[in-house]
Amino acid sequence: QKEVEQDPGPLSVPEGAIVSLNCTYSNSAFQYFMWYRQYSRKGPELLMYTYSSGNKEDGRFTAQVDKSSKYISLFIRDSQPSDSATYLCAMTLTTDSWGKFQFGAGTQVVVTP
Amino acid sequence: ETGVTQSPTHLIKTRGQQVTLRCSSQSGHNTVSWYQQALGQGPQFIFQYYREEENGRGNFPPRFSGLQFPNYSSELNVNALELDDSALYLCASSLAVGELFFGEGSRLTVL
Repeated sequence: QKEVEQDPGPLSVPEGAIVSLNCTYSNSAFQYFMWYRQYSRKGPELLMYTYSSGNKEDGRFTAQVDKSSKYISLFIRDSQPSDSATYLCAMTLTTDSWGKFQFGAGTQVVVTP
Repeated sequence: ETGVTQSPTHLIKTRGQQVTLRCSSQSGHNTVSWYQQALGQGPQFIFQYYREEENGRGNFPPRFSGLQFPNYSSELNVNALELDDSALYLCASSLAVGELFFGEGSRLTVL
């Protein structure tokens, strides 16, 4: 079993819909949680970063962490065709392990006009 | 653009050969992390360099090795290439506990 599980999709939504993405993980010691967006033939870019449990909002993006359930989510409101990409969750234990992230497999999202 | 550049962008090798991939980190960043991303998978951590010293290693065999230079640029070397080494190799630079900036990767095909 992988430490971080993520549904690979593809997830197809119409423009303007809410995109809901999630990851589950097995290591309860993870404390730092990230969401990355990766366009085709590009490197990942950081979207959201959350420490421990709770919600964080940034524009159209909301990240949620539920450590009791070992479950994290990313919501994208008012989705646009430019949001079509692969979304990767990532996590790590402490600041000592910064940069040594465990990534999920990524969910491919397609937003249709 | 992240300021992290990787070379070469694409390369083809045969089994048993050796390859060197290069990463030029963003100005001032002293930490470089290398990842392997197989097709349809998420990146897997290979190793990290901090101020020219290896600072942690993932579950990769010793034939994966690296270097970091005084200007903080870095190399990833893979010896005795295997078919399963075919992947996108990503480097990411950062300042200690800061945002990781990824390059666009080097796509390696092993035949």
